[in-house]
Amino acid sequence: GAGVSQSPSNKVTEKGKDVELRCDPISGHTALYWYRQRLGQGLEFLIYFQGNSAPDKSGLPSDRFSAERTGESVSTLTIQRTQQEDSAVYLCASSLGFPGAVQETQYFGPGTRLLVL
Amino acid sequence: DAKTTQPPSMDCAEGRAANLPCNHSTISGNEYVYWYRQIHSQGPQYIIHGLKNNETNEMASLIITEDRKSSTLILPHATLRDTAVYYCIVRVKIGSARQLTFGSGTQLTVLP
Repeated sequence: GAGVSQSPSNKVTEKGKDVELRCDPISGHTALYWYRQRLGQGLEFLIYFQGNSAPDKSGLPSDRFSAERTGESVSTLTIQRTQQEDSAVYLCASSLGFPGAVQETQYFGPGTRLLVL
Repeated sequence: DAKTTQPPSMDCAEGRAANLPCNHSTISGNEYVYWYRQIHSQGPQYIIHGLKNNETNEMASLIITEDRKSSTLILPHATLRDTAVYYCIVRVKIGSARQLTFGSGTQLTVLP
């Protein structure tokens, strides 16, 4: 596709349920990022995938959060036993991901708005 | 990490140029200045980036001072659809990742 796509665009769930959020990066982009943005706040880094390297999970807030990526394509962010504090917009971004490059433009998807009741 | 400082809000008349300033006095020599914007309820959108030379693309122009301690994003003919929060960012690297860190940005309101 022309840009980063995410699904679903909106998700309402009950506290304690598991949710899966999907990200389709731009074709050819080897780097993929997940961020979280709470209402009125800035971006909070969650996880980073670069090619076939081990992902950088340093931003995941708890072990309820996990993410996978199949090769250099689709990624899924899973939140288990959701809590009300998990309510936020979850944003995915991708970039060409040249190793060692200082500059690296990230292109964002529209986000998934998660509401935990 | 280089920190950026931006005014919290600005207004601009439709059709006029919008000039958004950013201070980044602690920027390192190999760090780039990036500008993104976020229109309400949408994901951040890349606008432009530069190292030390002025840059121009179809969306905007970026003017970086010679000492690189500040920059200005210029939207030459602002439209109502340019109303958004504009973020000035200097690349941050933590661990192996190069995640972006957005500050509070500048809320640009384009007035009819």
